[in-house]
Amino acid sequence: ETGVTQSPTHLIKTRGQQVTLRCSSQSGHNTVSWYQQALGQGPQFIFQYYREEENGRGNFPPRFSGLQFPNYSSELNVNALELDDSALYLCASSERQNYGYTFGSGTRLTVV
Amino acid sequence: AQSVSQHNHHVILSEAASLELGCNYSYGGTVNLFWYVQYPGQHLQLLLKYFSGDPLVKGIKGFEAEFIKSKFSFNLRKPSVQWSDTAEYFCAVNAGGSNYKLTFGKGTLLTVNP
Repeated sequence: ETGVTQSPTHLIKTRGQQVTLRCSSQSGHNTVSWYQQALGQGPQFIFQYYREEENGRGNFPPRFSGLQFPNYSSELNVNALELDDSALYLCASSERQNYGYTFGSGTRLTVV
Repeated sequence: AQSVSQHNHHVILSEAASLELGCNYSYGGTVNLFWYVQYPGQHLQLLLKYFSGDPLVKGIKGFEAEFIKSKFSFNLRKPSVQWSDTAEYFCAVNAGGSNYKLTFGKGTLLTVNP
């Protein structure tokens, strides 16, 4: 198993900028989800992609958007960054049928 | 909307003590339940999961959890903790069907003193 890999591991951005985070799913997994984990909190669901289409969305504004590519890798894009967007962003992949979620190590985003 | 409550924010134990971490969820339908662990500096790892069948689920590293449907609970247990169990533990619920969203609790930090 190759696991879920995320890049970059750390990122510092200025308020108002845009950021793109990347995720490579575990081999054989066709579903990818993104979560935001603020300090001292559990992960919060942002959205999920299945076969390149958004399959569910949490309570996040439209400036959070994503893509899933034919090889099942994924991107999370955040526009017009706000200070409160500072968090650990986690990617998780799964086979649709068995709910086995594998998480990556995350990207730590700091907005200044 | 589904929600998850973890009763303890921080639990401190000595090695060999028994562990029970509480988790309650609010959702009236069929659920899938998970416990994840996050060791310092590492990614979230699945400890165990419950989909159906025997409500007593055994996971990795000697952990187990019991699903009590009438109490909407899924408590995590270990008979004897080790220093290496020091980590943050998250309970999560998924409402099943075509919605694969995981709802997490806020987590419980477990510190095991040698």
